[in-house]
Amino acid sequence: AQKVTQAQTEISVVEKEDVTLDCVYETRDTTYYLFWYKQPPSGELVFLIRRNSFDEQNEISGRYSWNFQKSTSSFNFTITASQVVDSAVYFCALSEATGTASKLTFGTGTRLQVTL
Amino acid sequence: NAGVTQTPKFQVLKTGQSMTLQCAQDMNHEYMSWYRQDPGMGLRLIHYSVGAGITDQGEVPNGYNVSRSTTEDFPLRLLSAAPSQTSVYFCASSLAPFVLTEAFFGQGTRLTVV
Repeated sequence: AQKVTQAQTEISVVEKEDVTLDCVYETRDTTYYLFWYKQPPSGELVFLIRRNSFDEQNEISGRYSWNFQKSTSSFNFTITASQVVDSAVYFCALSEATGTASKLTFGTGTRLQVTL
Repeated sequence: NAGVTQTPKFQVLKTGQSMTLQCAQDMNHEYMSWYRQDPGMGLRLIHYSVGAGITDQGEVPNGYNVSRSTTEDFPLRLLSAAPSQTSVYFCASSLAPFVLTEAFFGQGTRLTVV
C-alpha cells in the first residue's frame, strides 16, 4: 500500500528564512505522481506542483523549489526567503497508476508558521 | 468556470440525524472522490467514483453512502451522524480515473455533530 510521511508536524521560522518541508513516500509501483498542496488558514486546498515518477528534474517556481529523489523516495519542498503569507499547512500526496482507479494518498501535513 | 462546488460550507447536526453533503463539478471529470480531514490525520479517502453508476470504498467508508447518477454530481450521505464524523469534508474531481495527474478540490464542508 502507498504511504506518505511528513515527519515535521510544525515548523516555525522568521520571515526571510529559508525552510524545507520533508516528504517521504512508499509505493510499489513504478508509475506514480507526487503532489504538494497548500492549505492556508481560509481552509481551501491550493495545488502547488505535480511531479511524475519519470521526471527527476528539480523544479523552481519563484521562491518555491522542489527536490525529487527516487533513490531516497523523497519529494522535499523548499521555500526561499519565507514570507508571512506562506503560513499554512502543506500536504504532500502520492497517486499511483493502477488498473482500476487511482487513489490520492496524503501525508499528515506540516504546519508552517512564518513570523515577523 | 465554477470548478468543484460543495454545499453547505458549514453544518451542525445532532447525533442520529442524517444529511447529504452535495458536490458538483462542471469540468466533465470522470473521477470524483470524498475525503475527510481531521487534525493530525491529513486527508483520508472515504469513497470514490470512476464514472456515473460506479462507486467504490476508500480508506474510511463506514457510516457514509455515495451514489453517482450523473457525471456532474457526487453526493455524500451520512446515514446516522455520530460525533466521530465531526470533520472537514472535501470533494475532489479529476479528469482521468486511472492516473491522477491532477485533482481539483472544493472549498470544503465543516461538519459538527453534537
